[in-house]
Amino acid sequence: GDSVTQMEGPVTLSEEAFLTINCTYTATGYPSLFWYVQYPGEGLQLLLKATKADDKGSNKGFEATYRKETTSFHLEKGSVQVSDSAVYFCAQTVSGNTPLVFGKGTRLSVIA
Amino acid sequence: EAGVAQSPRYKIIEKRQSVAFWCNPISGHATLYWYQQILGQGPKLLIQFQNNGVVDDSQLPKDRFSAERLKGVDSTLKIQPAKLEDSAVYLCASSSGPGARYGYTFGSGTRLTVV
Repeated sequence: GDSVTQMEGPVTLSEEAFLTINCTYTATGYPSLFWYVQYPGEGLQLLLKATKADDKGSNKGFEATYRKETTSFHLEKGSVQVSDSAVYFCAQTVSGNTPLVFGKGTRLSVIA
Repeated sequence: EAGVAQSPRYKIIEKRQSVAFWCNPISGHATLYWYQQILGQGPKLLIQFQNNGVVDDSQLPKDRFSAERLKGVDSTLKIQPAKLEDSAVYLCASSSGPGARYGYTFGSGTRLTVV
């Protein structure tokens, strides 16, 4: 079935380090892809999204490119801050009317 | 705009007891979702409502879980009787239409511990 696989966490980085969190998907069609972030004690928030192949989603310095050839949607940020510490979830939806399917999440800790 | 409200924030119960969670979505949002997030896993859809009708409850354990959305606004999720494996965060989300393209807004969740 349709699913999303993320790299295992936790990921611990020093401030200003480069971040990559890997995400791959399996889907019968051409899904829309999302990254959500969950800060401590808060609900999930949409970070960025891409709806078709080669689209790049970006927000708050984070980027992810929809790669159909590798079925991937890796999250990157050039210079992380302590405030980026959170759990990041990759998600997909196969069609615009279907609910989100989430990966297991990757916990990021950024230390000063 | 007010967000999605959930209560209670935390609940501890003994196994075989009953528990209920409440969700108030964003005003005007027709679609409401309940997700279960077990520690170390991503959220899993339990049920989706469109107004006061159920769209998808295929992953809801109907022998013990029930949900309703009276009048197409607030929703209640109930577990009766609870098992240890029901320990999780229960997330409510709402959107103006069905599916992710309409954009979800999540509540902060209810953390349930079954002992």
